[in-house]
Amino acid sequence: SQQGEEDPQALSIQEGENATMNCSYKTSINNLQWYRQNSGRGLVHLILIRSNEREKHSGRLRVTLDTSKKSSSLLITASRAADTASYFCATDDSWGKLQFGAGTQVVVTP
Amino acid sequence: DGGITQSPKYLFRKEGQNVTLSCEQNLNHDAMYWYRQDPGQGLRLIYYSQIVNDFQKGDIAEGYSVSREKKESFPLTVTSAQKNPTAFYLCASSIDRRGTYEQYFGPGTRLTVT
Repeated sequence: SQQGEEDPQALSIQEGENATMNCSYKTSINNLQWYRQNSGRGLVHLILIRSNEREKHSGRLRVTLDTSKKSSSLLITASRAADTASYFCATDDSWGKLQFGAGTQVVVTP
Repeated sequence: DGGITQSPKYLFRKEGQNVTLSCEQNLNHDAMYWYRQDPGQGLRLIYYSQIVNDFQKGDIAEGYSVSREKKESFPLTVTSAQKNPTAFYLCASSIDRRGTYEQYFGPGTRLTVT
């Protein structure tokens, strides 16, 4: 079962612009994680935000969490061509397993 | 050099044959996971293991089997009972099973069955 749903499905921007993607989920969570996947590769963990946190930063990444709306957003500032990838949110279920969304495909053009 | 490895990167098999995908980690993690990814989709959990000699079915376990005889190894067998085995398979590990911890992923094995 897929809990997180990312929006938009795809995003195309130019280098230097900001990229924002959203994740909505259905049931209560303990934390939410964001991962990145380059084409044909494994996923790489970006950031984890706990349910009692509202915002978290890591380098050019900013993640927000609104538990009342059951949604999260990932902002990539000053994007680079190397940011081209698919981005997934993942929420933990009651058993501690992660449920991944279908992802947002981001293309950054020079 | 710690990490999680999967082999082979590409695997081709004929329909009706069982095939085993390898996953090894040297991170000393207790929990290991197998996911399946189809084009344009997210990850679906096949099996997971919280500790040696124990494993649990995930959301799409039918047609798959696993073993966890050693902490560092979690091989996945795709059996002939799996109706649509062609996919990208990802192995992951984490400190323990709780979603509190990040998962570390291997590079994946792309399986093609014809």
